[in-house]
Amino acid sequence: DIQMTQSPSSLSASVGDRVAISCRSSQTINIYLNWYQQKPGRAPQLLIYAASTLQSGVPSRFRGSGSGTDFTLTISSLQPEDFATYYCQQSYNTPYTFGRGTKLEIK
Amino acid sequence: EVQLVQSGADVKKPGESLKISCEGSGYSFTTYWIGWVRQMPGKGLDWMGLVNPGDSHTRYNPSFQGQVTISADKSISAAYLQWGSLKASDTALYYCARLNGASFDIWGQGTVVTVSS
Repeated sequence: DIQMTQSPSSLSASVGDRVAISCRSSQTINIYLNWYQQKPGRAPQLLIYAASTLQSGVPSRFRGSGSGTDFTLTISSLQPEDFATYYCQQSYNTPYTFGRGTKLEIK
Repeated sequence: EVQLVQSGADVKKPGESLKISCEGSGYSFTTYWIGWVRQMPGKGLDWMGLVNPGDSHTRYNPSFQGQVTISADKSISAAYLQWGSLKASDTALYYCARLNGASFDIWGQGTVVTVSS
Protein backbone atom coordinates (compact mmCIF):
# COMPACT_ATOMS: atom_id res chain seq x y z
CA ASP A 1 0.00 0.00 0.00
CA ILE A 2 1.06 3.59 -0.58
CA GLN A 3 1.60 5.41 2.72
CA MET A 4 0.57 9.04 3.01
CA THR A 5 2.33 11.19 5.60
CA GLN A 6 0.85 14.55 6.56
CA SER A 7 2.55 17.24 8.53
CA PRO A 8 1.99 18.85 10.86
CA SER A 9 -0.61 16.71 12.63
CA SER A 10 -1.98 19.87 14.23
CA LEU A 11 -1.59 23.55 13.62
CA SER A 12 -2.69 26.69 15.48
CA ALA A 13 -3.26 29.84 13.46
CA SER A 14 -5.23 33.06 13.47
CA VAL A 15 -7.85 34.44 11.14
CA GLY A 16 -6.07 36.07 8.23
CA ASP A 17 -2.96 33.89 8.47
CA ARG A 18 -1.52 31.94 5.57
CA VAL A 19 -0.97 28.28 6.36
CA ALA A 20 0.49 25.31 4.53
CA ILE A 21 -0.09 21.61 5.10
CA SER A 22 2.29 19.05 3.66
CA CYS A 23 1.51 15.58 2.36
CA ARG A 24 4.12 13.09 1.21
CA SER A 25 3.52 9.74 -0.46
CA SER A 26 5.73 6.68 -0.01
CA GLN A 27 6.03 6.30 -3.78
CA THR A 28 5.35 8.49 -6.76
CA ILE A 29 1.66 9.12 -7.42
CA ASN A 30 1.94 11.61 -10.30
CA ILE A 31 -0.86 14.10 -9.51
CA TYR A 32 -3.35 11.58 -8.12
CA LEU A 33 -3.74 13.52 -4.90
CA ASN A 34 -6.91 14.84 -3.32
CA TRP A 35 -7.54 17.10 -0.34
CA TYR A 36 -10.61 16.94 1.89
CA GLN A 37 -11.88 19.13 4.69
CA GLN A 38 -13.82 17.68 7.60
CA LYS A 39 -15.61 19.70 10.26
CA PRO A 40 -16.74 18.13 13.55
CA GLY A 41 -19.85 16.01 13.14
CA ARG A 42 -19.85 16.40 9.37
CA ALA A 43 -18.84 14.26 6.42
CA PRO A 44 -15.60 15.15 4.62
CA GLN A 45 -15.85 17.51 1.68
CA LEU A 46 -13.67 17.49 -1.41
CA LEU A 47 -11.56 20.63 -1.72
CA ILE A 48 -8.97 19.85 -4.37
CA TYR A 49 -8.47 16.96 -6.76
CA ALA A 50 -5.67 16.06 -9.15
CA ALA A 51 -3.26 17.87 -6.82
CA SER A 52 -4.23 21.38 -7.84
CA THR A 53 -7.76 21.54 -9.30
CA LEU A 54 -10.25 23.35 -7.10
CA GLN A 55 -13.56 21.55 -6.64
CA SER A 56 -16.57 23.58 -7.75
CA GLY A 57 -17.72 25.98 -5.05
CA VAL A 58 -14.47 25.93 -3.06
CA PRO A 59 -13.06 29.40 -2.32
CA SER A 60 -9.98 30.47 -4.24
CA ARG A 61 -8.01 31.01 -1.02
CA PHE A 62 -7.43 27.23 -1.10
CA ARG A 63 -4.56 26.15 -3.34
CA GLY A 64 -3.04 22.77 -3.99
CA SER A 65 0.38 22.15 -5.46
CA GLY A 66 2.91 19.41 -6.05
CA SER A 67 3.45 16.25 -8.03
CA GLY A 68 5.31 12.99 -7.68
CA THR A 69 5.65 12.46 -3.93
CA ASP A 70 5.40 15.92 -2.35
CA PHE A 71 2.22 17.97 -2.13
CA THR A 72 1.04 21.07 -0.30
CA LEU A 73 -2.32 22.53 0.59
CA THR A 74 -2.10 26.28 1.16
CA ILE A 75 -4.83 28.48 2.59
CA SER A 76 -3.95 32.05 1.78
CA SER A 77 -6.02 33.97 4.34
CA LEU A 78 -7.70 31.88 7.00
CA GLN A 79 -11.38 32.45 7.59
CA PRO A 80 -13.28 31.33 10.71
CA GLU A 81 -15.00 28.56 8.74
CA ASP A 82 -11.64 27.06 7.70
CA PHE A 83 -10.83 25.69 11.14
CA ALA A 84 -11.27 21.98 10.57
CA THR A 85 -9.31 18.80 9.91
CA TYR A 86 -7.71 18.32 6.50
CA TYR A 87 -6.89 15.00 4.88
CA CYS A 88 -4.89 14.15 1.79
CA GLN A 89 -5.66 11.02 -0.20
CA GLN A 90 -3.83 9.28 -3.03
CA SER A 91 -5.91 7.78 -5.84
CA TYR A 92 -3.03 6.35 -7.88
CA ASN A 93 -3.39 2.77 -6.68
CA THR A 94 -5.98 0.96 -4.63
CA PRO A 95 -6.31 1.03 -1.68
CA TYR A 96 -6.76 4.79 -2.04
CA THR A 97 -5.09 5.61 1.26
CA PHE A 98 -5.61 8.76 3.31
CA GLY A 99 -3.14 10.70 5.37
CA ARG A 100 -3.76 10.78 9.13
CA GLY A 101 -5.08 14.32 9.01
CA THR A 102 -4.04 17.82 10.06
CA LYS A 103 -6.20 19.55 12.64
CA LEU A 104 -6.25 23.30 12.11
CA GLU A 105 -7.18 25.14 15.28
CA ILE A 106 -7.74 28.76 16.20
CA LYS A 107 -4.84 30.36 18.05
CA GLU B 1 -29.82 17.54 -6.07
CA VAL B 2 -27.08 14.95 -6.20
CA GLN B 3 -26.96 13.14 -2.90
CA LEU B 4 -26.17 9.95 -1.08
CA VAL B 5 -28.41 9.08 1.85
CA GLN B 6 -27.29 6.45 4.30
CA SER B 7 -29.27 4.25 6.64
CA GLY B 8 -29.59 5.17 10.29
CA ALA B 9 -27.42 4.37 13.27
CA ASP B 10 -27.39 0.83 14.56
CA VAL B 11 -26.43 -0.90 17.79
CA LYS B 12 -25.48 -4.55 17.65
CA LYS B 13 -23.95 -7.22 19.85
CA PRO B 14 -20.68 -8.96 19.01
CA GLY B 15 -21.26 -11.82 16.60
CA GLU B 16 -24.39 -10.31 15.06
CA SER B 17 -24.70 -9.46 11.37
CA LEU B 18 -25.44 -6.06 9.87
CA LYS B 19 -26.02 -4.51 6.46
CA ILE B 20 -26.01 -0.73 6.04
CA SER B 21 -27.12 1.07 2.94
CA CYS B 22 -26.35 4.10 0.80
CA GLU B 23 -28.95 5.35 -1.67
CA GLY B 24 -28.01 7.64 -4.51
CA SER B 25 -30.25 10.16 -6.18
CA GLY B 26 -30.03 13.06 -8.61
CA TYR B 27 -27.57 11.35 -10.96
CA SER B 28 -27.06 8.18 -12.99
CA PHE B 29 -26.20 5.75 -10.21
CA THR B 30 -24.53 3.19 -12.48
CA THR B 31 -22.06 5.73 -13.91
CA TYR B 32 -19.96 6.15 -10.78
CA TRP B 33 -18.28 3.74 -8.41
CA ILE B 34 -19.31 4.01 -4.76
CA GLY B 35 -16.70 3.77 -2.02
CA TRP B 36 -16.90 3.06 1.70
CA VAL B 37 -14.76 4.84 4.29
CA ARG B 38 -14.43 4.03 7.99
CA GLN B 39 -13.78 6.57 10.71
CA MET B 40 -13.15 5.10 14.12
CA PRO B 41 -13.94 7.30 17.13
CA GLY B 42 -11.60 10.28 17.21
CA LYS B 43 -9.51 8.92 14.34
CA GLY B 44 -8.84 9.50 10.66
CA LEU B 45 -10.29 8.09 7.47
CA ASP B 46 -9.74 4.49 6.32
CA TRP B 47 -10.52 3.53 2.71
CA MET B 48 -12.39 0.21 2.76
CA GLY B 49 -13.30 -0.51 -0.82
CA LEU B 50 -15.34 0.28 -3.91
CA VAL B 51 -18.27 -1.16 -5.83
CA ASN B 52 -19.30 -0.50 -9.40
CA PRO B 53 -23.12 -0.35 -9.29
CA GLY B 54 -23.29 -1.08 -13.00
CA ASP B 55 -21.80 -4.56 -12.82
CA SER B 56 -21.27 -5.06 -9.05
CA HIS B 57 -17.52 -5.39 -9.53
CA THR B 58 -15.69 -4.67 -6.29
CA ARG B 59 -12.23 -3.63 -5.14
CA TYR B 60 -11.26 -4.09 -1.50
CA ASN B 61 -8.57 -2.72 0.75
CA PRO B 62 -6.69 -5.91 1.75
CA SER B 63 -7.06 -4.78 5.37
CA PHE B 64 -10.83 -5.21 5.06
CA GLN B 65 -11.01 -8.09 2.58
CA GLY B 66 -12.86 -10.99 4.16
CA GLN B 67 -14.07 -8.81 7.03
CA VAL B 68 -16.84 -7.00 5.14
CA THR B 69 -18.82 -7.40 1.95
CA ILE B 70 -19.51 -4.49 -0.38
CA SER B 71 -22.35 -4.80 -2.87
CA ALA B 72 -24.86 -2.82 -4.89
CA ASP B 73 -28.35 -3.08 -6.31
CA LYS B 74 -28.63 -0.88 -9.37
CA SER B 75 -32.39 -1.43 -9.62
CA ILE B 76 -32.89 0.70 -6.52
CA SER B 77 -29.72 2.83 -6.74
CA ALA B 78 -28.29 1.46 -3.53
CA ALA B 79 -24.91 0.32 -2.29
CA TYR B 80 -24.31 -1.78 0.80
CA LEU B 81 -21.70 -2.59 3.39
CA GLN B 82 -22.26 -5.70 5.44
CA TRP B 83 -20.74 -7.75 8.19
CA GLY B 84 -21.38 -11.41 8.91
CA SER B 85 -20.09 -11.35 12.46
CA LEU B 86 -19.48 -7.99 14.11
CA LYS B 87 -16.68 -7.29 16.56
CA ALA B 88 -16.36 -4.49 19.09
CA SER B 89 -13.56 -3.09 16.92
CA ASP B 90 -16.11 -2.49 14.11
CA THR B 91 -17.57 0.34 16.18
CA ALA B 92 -17.13 3.36 13.95
CA LEU B 93 -18.75 5.91 11.67
CA TYR B 94 -19.06 4.62 8.11
CA TYR B 95 -19.36 6.87 5.08
CA CYS B 96 -20.24 6.06 1.51
CA ALA B 97 -18.96 8.38 -1.20
CA ARG B 98 -19.20 8.74 -4.95
CA LEU B 99 -16.00 8.25 -6.92
CA ASN B 100 -15.90 10.87 -9.65
CA GLY B 101 -12.80 10.31 -11.73
CA ALA B 102 -10.28 9.68 -8.98
CA SER B 103 -11.79 11.58 -6.05
CA PHE B 104 -14.80 11.28 -3.74
CA ASP B 105 -16.93 14.28 -4.68
CA ILE B 106 -20.21 13.42 -2.96
CA TRP B 107 -20.43 11.90 0.52
CA GLY B 108 -23.26 10.38 2.48
CA GLN B 109 -24.06 11.73 5.93
CA GLY B 110 -22.49 8.74 7.64
CA THR B 111 -23.85 5.76 9.58
CA VAL B 112 -22.77 5.14 13.18
CA VAL B 113 -22.33 1.48 14.00
CA THR B 114 -21.94 0.55 17.66
CA VAL B 115 -21.01 -2.99 18.65
CA SER B 116 -21.31 -3.66 22.34
CA SER B 117 -22.33 -6.51 24.57
